[in-house]
Amino acid sequence: EDKVVQSPLSLVVHEGDTVTLNCSYEVTNFRSLLWYKQEKKAPTFLFMLTSSGIEKKSGRLSSILDKKELSSILNITATQTGDSAIYLCAVLKTSYDKVIFGPGTSLSVIP
Amino acid sequence: NAGVTQTPKFQVLKTGQSMTLQCAQDMNHNSMYWYRQDPGMGLRLIYYSASEGTTDKGEVPNGYNVSRLNKREFSLRLESAAPSQTSVYFCASSERQGLDGYTFGSGTRLTVV
Repeated sequence: EDKVVQSPLSLVVHEGDTVTLNCSYEVTNFRSLLWYKQEKKAPTFLFMLTSSGIEKKSGRLSSILDKKELSSILNITATQTGDSAIYLCAVLKTSYDKVIFGPGTSLSVIP
Repeated sequence: NAGVTQTPKFQVLKTGQSMTLQCAQDMNHNSMYWYRQDPGMGLRLIYYSASEGTTDKGEVPNGYNVSRLNKREFSLRLESAAPSQTSVYFCASSERQGLDGYTFGSGTRLTVV
C-alpha cells in the first residue's frame, strides 16, 4: 500500500532557528514529490522535486530529494513567526493523477 | 483574483441529510479534485476529474458522488450524510495532471451531527 510518512509530526522552535522537516515514501510508480505549506486555509504549493540530488530553493526554504533513500527534506533557515504552518509532503505517481499526501508536520515558531 | 472558489465555507448537517459542495476554477485547468482532510491523516483523495466529462474514484469515494458540470465546475455530493463525513473538504485543480502542482480552494468545514 502506498504510504507517505512525515516527521516530526509537530515541532516548536524559536525565531531564528533552522529546522529540517522529513518526508519518506513507499510508493509504486513514483513521479515527483511535492511540498505544500498550509496556514489557516488552503495548502499553497512550495516545491516539486523530480530529480534526485537537485536542491530547490525559495528564499529561506530549500528542499532536496533522495530517490535512493526514498526521502526528502525541507529546510527552513532563520525561521520567522510567519513560517508557523502545517507543512505537507505529497507524492505524485505516474499512474495518472494519483497523489498521496503525508499527515503533515505542524511547525510553530515562537518569538 | 484567479483561483479555486468553494462554497459553502461552513455547513452543519443532520445525519441522513444531503448536500452538494460546489467548486469552480477560472484558470482553465483540465484536472479537478476533491480531498478531505482529517486530523493526523493528511489529505485523502475522494474523486478526481482528469478532464471535462470524466470522473474517477480516489482513495475514499464511498458515500460521495461527483459531477464535472463543465471545465470550470466540479461538485461533490453527499447523498445521506454520516458523522464519519465530518471533515474539511478541499477542491483543487491543476493544468497538467499535477505536474505543475495543485491550486487549492479555501475549504469547506462540514460537521454532521
